Amino acid sequence: TQLLEQSPQFLSIQEGENLTVYCNSSSVFSSLQWYRQEPGEGPVLLVTVVTGGEVKKLKRLTFQFGDARKDSSLHITAAQPGDTGLYLCAGPYTGGFKTIFGAGTRLFVKA
Amino acid sequence: NAGVTQTPKFRILKIGQSMTLQCTQDMNHNYMYWYRQDPGMGLKLIYYSVGAGITDKGEVPNGYNVSRSTTEDFPLRLELAAPSQTSVYFCASKDRGPAYEQYFGPGTRLTVT
Repeated sequence: TQLLEQSPQFLSIQEGENLTVYCNSSSVFSSLQWYRQEPGEGPVLLVTVVTGGEVKKLKRLTFQFGDARKDSSLHITAAQPGDTGLYLCAGPYTGGFKTIFGAGTRLFVKA
Repeated sequence: NAGVTQTPKFRILKIGQSMTLQCTQDMNHNYMYWYRQDPGMGLKLIYYSVGAGITDKGEVPNGYNVSRSTTEDFPLRLELAAPSQTSVYFCASKDRGPAYEQYFGPGTRLTVT
């Protein structure tokens, strides 16, 4: 059974701090995605990583796909209140029709 | 482009009542999905469809039914609502291929009392 485990579950930090959240599995994924969900809205895609060892940057957000394609991390530099939300990692089930989501990391950035 | 639209946005049902959650996408996506999200949790797949006329169960299908008569529409039917179905329901669609982005609707917040 493919599972994605995210840690930490909850993170509350001050504006300006750095943080890293993790997404881990015992299964190999052909790709992993990170979504951000703001309160009262649906998730929105931030990035897709497809190559083992790949690093992608999106302004202050840095995403990394593990060399073995079993894990991924999201690092935020100098967090801002606008970064507050639920961060979900997701990957395709074998066969590609369905997507498995992790339980998410809920981030709260205090001004 | 409206993307993925869902109606209603909020609904309160009494135990045993039935309702249909509507979902429409205008991106000509073949794949469509229904998820539920319980408080503080991630997304659990209820049903999905890979094209008109084709549907299949996800992780938590009990108490729900779906149909896909057109590419655009993917309604979710709740029969005999139970308090355990209190949740936020999201519809999503995507293009073919495992790495394609899923586009989500704004969600329907359902309370069963």
